[in-house]
Amino acid sequence: NAGVTQTPKFRVLKTGQSMTLLCAQDMNHEYMYWYRQDPGMGLRLIHYSVGEGTTAKGEVPDGYNVSRLKKQNFLLGLESAAPSQTSVYFCASSGHGGAAQETQYFGPGTRLLVL
Amino acid sequence: QQQVKQSPQSLIVQKGGISIINCAYENTAFDYFPWYQQFPGKGPALLIAIRPDVSEKKEGRFTISFNKSAKQFSLHIMDSQPGDSATYFCAASIGGATNKLIFGTGTLLAVQP
Repeated sequence: NAGVTQTPKFRVLKTGQSMTLLCAQDMNHEYMYWYRQDPGMGLRLIHYSVGEGTTAKGEVPDGYNVSRLKKQNFLLGLESAAPSQTSVYFCASSGHGGAAQETQYFGPGTRLLVL
Repeated sequence: QQQVKQSPQSLIVQKGGISIINCAYENTAFDYFPWYQQFPGKGPALLIAIRPDVSEKKEGRFTISFNKSAKQFSLHIMDSQPGDSATYFCAASIGGATNKLIFGTGTLLAVQP
């Protein structure tokens, strides 16, 4: 099992360019999440999905879009990158929630630099 | 109400010492409190977690102490080792259909040999 994988590992963009970050998990998890990590601010939830075909906004969704066309994949899109989106992006997945919260498993991260 | 406040921001401990990281929350609906450990260049990984029906949970050298009335919880690392040097995040979530976690801002721990 590869767990949670993220593509690419590192990317440099110019302001206004677009890109898509890919997250894939092989644990058959229902829930998937995108976070950004910035110094001194911890991990902040951008968007999440509770199943194939569903998405929802998290704490900091502005400037990002997501899609979950397949259960194992969760895509994060930046339509027009801004320097404020320079960050490390982490994808995570977990099983069903409800009364028994499940562990979130994180990918290795994508480091994005917007010039 | 959704915030989780974590302190200190950084911590230096001598090998063999006790590392203590504290977190506080406001939302009494939180019912799951995990700690995540993150090494440089890696994603966070679950270290230990507790629910509010117990006041303490221990796994090896790692212990969570939970004070429901004070709305505080802390991570204690006994006999700290250089290999424990990492960033630690506390988090909280509300039982339901999303598993969403609210993370603290992190503590960078350095254990000196």
